[in-house]
Amino acid sequence: DVQMTQSPSSLSASVGDRVTIRCQASQDIRNYVNWYQQRPGKAPRLLVYDASNLETGVPSRFSGSGSETEFTFTISSLQPEDIGTYYCQQYDNLPPWTFGQGTKVEIK
Amino acid sequence: QLQLQESGPGLVKPSETLSLTCTVSGGSISSHTHYWGWIRQPPGKGLEWIGSIYYSGDTYYTPSLQSRVTLSADTSKNQFSLKLTSATAADTAVYFCARQGVVVVAFDYWGQGALVTVSS
Repeated sequence: DVQMTQSPSSLSASVGDRVTIRCQASQDIRNYVNWYQQRPGKAPRLLVYDASNLETGVPSRFSGSGSETEFTFTISSLQPEDIGTYYCQQYDNLPPWTFGQGTKVEIK
Repeated sequence: QLQLQESGPGLVKPSETLSLTCTVSGGSISSHTHYWGWIRQPPGKGLEWIGSIYYSGDTYYTPSLQSRVTLSADTSKNQFSLKLTSATAADTAVYFCARQGVVVVAFDYWGQGALVTVSS
């Protein structure tokens, strides 16, 4: 199974700051990574698919990049409504599909 | 607008079967471009994919649960279901149903989630 190691596990940043989250895959998974936001008490929301494609309706301050084993998710200017936990998810050739451990984002 | 809604008992006794149903509205589970999946989240923990089903009945499961999980679909009711046998406290979680793409395996629509507690 492909393991996704996500870092950091939590971060605190000020409104307007640039925030970066990383996921490392245990093997080459091309660009098969998606990113989700989960606000407290809510279901996850798909933000980015295939490493760098923004889902329809998602604000442009969110972005993703990377390939093979290294992936990055960025919030260019942190907003108060962005608090929550962010997860990466991989879908290499065969299941199981696995998620990273999550990064909890808080406002300083 | 596609909507998914989980339903089922919120309390299950240890060793019994956990059963949940996801009702889809605003779209059809007979879509040729989507699977329908279950993901769970133990309290305070991360997300775990359980399995996914195609309208035709094609299924795949995560290996750690494969021996205890069965997914099924009822196209006439536009529903799909999860059964997890021999439940233990470790199965206590919020269970989400979600739509999954066939080509891009991303979960783009989710139910609100259903908390299932396994306890005597």
